[in-house]
Amino acid sequence: GAGVSQSPSNKVTEKGKDVELRCDPISGHTALYWYRQRLGQGLEFLIYFQGNSAPDKSGLPSDRFSAERTGESVSTLTIQRTQQEDSAVYLCASSPGGSGGRGEQFFGPGTRLTVL
Amino acid sequence: KNQVEQSPQSLIILEGKNCTLQCNYTVSPFSNLRWYKQDTGRGPVSLTIMTFSENTKSNGRYTATLDADTKQSSLHITASQLSDSASYICVVSGVAAGNKLTFGGGTRVLVKP
Repeated sequence: GAGVSQSPSNKVTEKGKDVELRCDPISGHTALYWYRQRLGQGLEFLIYFQGNSAPDKSGLPSDRFSAERTGESVSTLTIQRTQQEDSAVYLCASSPGGSGGRGEQFFGPGTRLTVL
Repeated sequence: KNQVEQSPQSLIILEGKNCTLQCNYTVSPFSNLRWYKQDTGRGPVSLTIMTFSENTKSNGRYTATLDADTKQSSLHITASQLSDSASYICVVSGVAAGNKLTFGGGTRVLVKP
């Protein structure tokens, strides 16, 4: 079956521009996560959606970052006024949910963002 | 502060040889620990998940161990293959961590023929 998909796979933008990254989770998965992975570093949690509950936004690094999710499907991560330090791979993961974020997570291939 | 430390940061091994990766964590109280494999340019893929009561779990040539008392885990790769070249990430979930997982920085393994 289809896994988690993300688009675009690569995005190059100029400093100060806004970008929008998309994640399509596995069908039926109620939980969706966004992570950031800087070059050579570990994954950083950004935001978590579970069903219709209020998202856990505690990992968002600044108010330039926001994310939305339509029901239990597609999610978009928006970065406004991009900075060079935003350059990273942005990974999305989904899970069946119902275990407080501790269940098996299935990752997408990521979007590599480069801010010039 | 919840932390997950992995060692070594990187290692090179010859095809067919075994290797062991280490993971130490401070997350408490502990819920579960996972090992992921991340190929270059791809998202992480789960290898094993262990809860507090599990000491060892295998997935093919990968065997993970867990000592919840010392807060240590290891991932042993047996008879390495070229396709084992990847980053291996230790991820810990705490009971009180809400929806967050704590990720280690990973160990980059390179298997040479």
